[in-house]
Amino acid sequence: AQKITQTQPGMFVQEKEAVTLDCTYDTSDQSYGLFWYKQPSSGEMIFLIYQGSYDEQNATEGRYSLNFQKARKSANLVISASQLGDSAMYFCAMREGRGGGGGNKLTFGTGTQLKVEL
Amino acid sequence: EPEVTQTPSHQVTQMGQEVILRCVPISNHLYFYWYRQILGQKVEFLVSFYNNEISEKSEIFDDQFSVERPDGSNFTLKIRSTKLEDSAMYFCASSGGRYSYEQYFGPGTRLTVT
Repeated sequence: AQKITQTQPGMFVQEKEAVTLDCTYDTSDQSYGLFWYKQPSSGEMIFLIYQGSYDEQNATEGRYSLNFQKARKSANLVISASQLGDSAMYFCAMREGRGGGGGNKLTFGTGTQLKVEL
Repeated sequence: EPEVTQTPSHQVTQMGQEVILRCVPISNHLYFYWYRQILGQKVEFLVSFYNNEISEKSEIFDDQFSVERPDGSNFTLKIRSTKLEDSAMYFCASSGGRYSYEQYFGPGTRLTVT
């Protein structure tokens, strides 16, 4: 089974609207974390937001929020008030716990290409 | 704002040649990683490095690959004898302390093997 599944290869949203990018994950670890990265056409990977499995509140960073539903194993990214500059590929990723330590590898999904339109 | 830097931004090499990709992680970070992304595909983990040794590596990271932290700032990935299928974007990343999980990526090195 895929550890990270992103079922939307492409999404369109109008400027100033909110958009939700889906991510589901599969792990048997109790300690894990979910990440979202943005990859513009220039190729760099920009860290957006992180949610730990034990965090009680959903993570937020500016216009980005992570809708974490542990029982459903989903970690959807919500972008509010979309801007043209949000057009990019978005990757969901997961680290799985190994009893502590920051050096956990990330497993990535296949990404969602978001296009923001006027 | 501190950032991860990588050099060169683009490297072209012939099959069978050795290449060294260089990274300068964020200065107070303790964990370092290499990932790669073949064009149009997802990002794949290669190796993680902590306390001057490899802490985990993937199946991709075979004997042709090695990593080194030669001084207090640089972190390098060496591919001994490049193959056509090594053509990819290679990302270096770093993360902070024991419970600081956010991994910050460098801008990448695009490796083209001809």
